Amino acid sequence: AQSVAQPEDQVNVAEGNPLTVKCTYSVSGNPYLFWYVQYPNRGLQFLLKYITGDNLVKGSYGFEAEFNKSQTSFHLKKPSALVSDSALYFCAVRHPSGGYNKLIFGAGTRLAVHP
Amino acid sequence: NAGVTQTPKFQVLKTGQSMTLQCAQDMNHNSMYWYRQDPGMGLRLIYYSASEGTTDKGEVPNGYNVSRLNKREFSLRLESAAPSQTSVYFCASRNRDTEAFFGQGTRLTVV
Repeated sequence: AQSVAQPEDQVNVAEGNPLTVKCTYSVSGNPYLFWYVQYPNRGLQFLLKYITGDNLVKGSYGFEAEFNKSQTSFHLKKPSALVSDSALYFCAVRHPSGGYNKLIFGAGTRLAVHP
Repeated sequence: NAGVTQTPKFQVLKTGQSMTLQCAQDMNHNSMYWYRQDPGMGLRLIYYSASEGTTDKGEVPNGYNVSRLNKREFSLRLESAAPSQTSVYFCASRNRDTEAFFGQGTRLTVV
C-alpha cells in the first residue's frame, strides 16, 4: 500500500537560515511525488513535483526538493527562509500507472520561521 | 478561471441529519477526489473518481457516499451525520501527470 511519512510535526527555523522539511514514501515502482503548502483557512497550493528526470526539482517561491530513490525520500528545501514561508506543508505520492489514481498525503509539517 | 469550487463553505449539522457537499471543476480534469482534514491526521482520502462514471473508496470511506454526476461535478453525501465527521472537507481534481488542484474547503461541524 502507498504511504507517506513526514516525521516532524513542526520545524522551527530562523529567518535567513536554510530549511528542510522531510518526507519519505512507500510505494512500489516509480512514484510521482508532490509538495503542497497550506496557509490558514485556505486550500492546498501546489509547490513542486517530481515525475521523472533530474532528481533536484525547483518549484514556486524558491523551494526545491531532492528525490532520492535509494532512501525513498523527497525532502523539501529552501536556501533562505522567510517569515512568510510559515505554513503547513504536505508531501504527497501517487502511483502513475495501471489506473492507480490514489493521491495519498502525509500528515503535514508545520513550518515556523522566526524573525 | 474558477478552478475547483466547493459549496457550502461552512455547515453545521445535527447528529443524524444528511447533507451533500458539492464540488465542480472547470479545468476538464478526469480525476476528482474528496479528502477530509483533521488536526494531526493530515489529509485522508475518502473517495476518488478516476474518470466520469467511476468511483472508488479511499482510506476512510465509511459513512460517506459519492456521485460523479458528470465530468465537472463530484459530490459527497453524508447520509446520517455523526460528530466524528466534524472536519474540513476538500475537493480536488487533476489530469494525467498534472498536480492536483484544490478547492477552498468546507468546514463541517456535527453537533
